[in-house]
Amino acid sequence: KAGVTQTPRYLIKTRGQQVTLSCSPISGHRSVSWYQQTPGQGLQFLFEYFSETQRNKGNFPGRFSGRQFSNSRSEMNVSTLELGDSALYLCASSLGGSQETQYFGPGTRLLVL
Amino acid sequence: SQKIEQNSEALNIQEGKTATLTCNYTNYSPAYLQWYRQDPGRGPVFLLLIRENEKEKRKERLKVTFDTTLKQSLFHITASQPADSATYLCALEVGGSTLGRLYFGRGTQLTVWP
Repeated sequence: KAGVTQTPRYLIKTRGQQVTLSCSPISGHRSVSWYQQTPGQGLQFLFEYFSETQRNKGNFPGRFSGRQFSNSRSEMNVSTLELGDSALYLCASSLGGSQETQYFGPGTRLLVL
Repeated sequence: SQKIEQNSEALNIQEGKTATLTCNYTNYSPAYLQWYRQDPGRGPVFLLLIRENEKEKRKERLKVTFDTTLKQSLFHITASQPADSATYLCALEVGGSTLGRLYFGRGTQLTVWP
């Protein structure tokens, strides 16, 4: 089985721009979660989508949004980028039930200048 | 407030010794607890899951304990090797209305030196 893939792997943007990140889950997985990872804050949960519906949401401003398509692929969008948005963005897929392992992708490294 | 704390950000031990990492939590009632390993520039990789009614779980050189009274999990790596050097993350699953969500600690960076 192919693992979780994320595109692009690296991205450089300037303040005020917007960005869209993509995540393709493992085949058969219906849940996709997004995390922001920074050295100071660790892994912070953004949101989780299950069967095209946002099921959980973290404490991030509305500039961060996401969606999930019928094939379970997910996108995350950040509008009006700020310097503090520079981070590693990770997505993880799972079957979506309890006790499920989350399988992480390699991440997208975003740098905001 | 809810917190997940992992002992010291960094832990350095000599090869062959047992590494013990701690995960303490407050104001959570986790149904399950998971441990992940993360190498630099990569996403976390699942290692072990332990349920609230389990005291201990083992997998090869890894052992996890879960004490819901102390609100603590211990993660042990026996006969540690330099290849075990990585950041280890604990994650809680509460379930219920947050089914599908994991709450992560900040991780402990383990370095095993020869």
